[in-house]
Parts: sequence; C-alpha cells; structure tokens
Amino acid sequence: DAGVIQSPRHEVTEMGQEVTLRCKPISGHDYLFWYRQTMMRGLELLIYFNNNVPIDDSGMPEDRFSAKMPNASFSTLKIQPSEPRDSAVYFCASRPGQDSPLHFGNGTRLTVT
Amino acid sequence: AQSVAQPEDQVNVAEGNPLTVKCTYSVSGNPYLFWYVQYPNRGLQFLLKYITGDNLVKGSYGFEAEFNKSQTSFHLKKPSALVSDSALYFCAFNDYKLSFGAGTTVTVRA
Repeated sequence: DAGVIQSPRHEVTEMGQEVTLRCKPISGHDYLFWYRQTMMRGLELLIYFNNNVPIDDSGMPEDRFSAKMPNASFSTLKIQPSEPRDSAVYFCASRPGQDSPLHFGNGTRLTVT
Repeated sequence: AQSVAQPEDQVNVAEGNPLTVKCTYSVSGNPYLFWYVQYPNRGLQFLLKYITGDNLVKGSYGFEAEFNKSQTSFHLKKPSALVSDSALYFCAFNDYKLSFGAGTTVTVRA
C-alpha cells in the first residue's frame, strides 16, 4: 500500500497562472477529500467525493477553484487564475468508509508570487 | 454549530514526563472523535478514534485518549513523552466529513 499520493510536492507559480494539483487515493477507498492548510486558517475542508461524485463543495473558496474525480483512482484540484492568497499546503485524503480514519497524502506546497 | 476545541496552542514538557493534549467537543448525539498527529512537511497521521464502547481508547505510538461525556472532553495522553513526540496534534470529529480543531504544538525537551 503506497498510501495517498499527491503531486507535485512543491509548486511555485506566478499570479494569474493556472495550477493543477493531483491526487491518487488508496485503492478501494470510496471517499476522497481535499483540504487546505494555512497558519491563519488552519485546516479547511474544500470538497469531498463519495464514489467519484462531489458531495460537499461548500468549502471551495470561489469559482477560481474546481475539483474533479474522473475515476476512482485520480482526482485533481485546479485553481485558475491563481492569486497570492492561494498560497498554502493542499492535502488530499481518502478513506474506505464513512466512519473510517482518513489517510492523508504528504501535501502540495503551493506558492503564488 | 458542532465543533471541537483545543484550548492550548502549545504544550511544553520534559522528556519522560506525562503528556496531555486537551480537546473539548460540542457535538450532538454520539460523537465520533479522532486524534491525528502531523510531523513537519508531512500529512496528518491517524493516532486513535472513539466511536463507542470503552471510554479509554489506546492508539499508536503509546498514546491513549479518555472520552469523558460529563466534561465533553477527549484528552490525548502519553505516560512518558519522547523528544520524537514533538509535533502538531489535531483533535477532530466526524459528521459525514472530518472537521478539525485548530491544533496544538507539542514540544518535548530533552
């Protein structure tokens, strides 16, 4: 079990550019979550999927953010256009069932200059 | 609104001393509570969970937590802290999604 895999680990981009973060959940996990972590706001849930279907996207900051899960083994979080305030660590996490613990990836550190 | 709170931003203890990280909850019904740990530049790692049953829950790395319904608390404990326990600790509750407290930074000095 390789765990939840996120790529890239680090992303530095200029304001206005499109950014795509990628996640491969653990095989057999039906739930996938995207979180954002900053010093100011802590851990924020952005969106989560169940069986590839978005269930709750109320945490997505604005229309610049979008997330997809085209199949059970892949998800993307896209920011277009990016802004400096989007700088944060973005985590993907998955779990097999509703009451199971979450398994986190090692995150993508995004810096928007 | 349902939530968990971690009243201490930082906890400092000497190696070998008991470690306690506090968490209180405001959750209706039977709360599903979790503890996670985060080491620098890593994702969160699951330590333990309470769903139902025994109020004392044992987890990874020698940690345990006590569920106290009357005090609405779920404090994380370790009888003898190690320098390697220095990390950021999160309490969380599960209401179809996982919602985290603000986190407590633990520093264990040698």
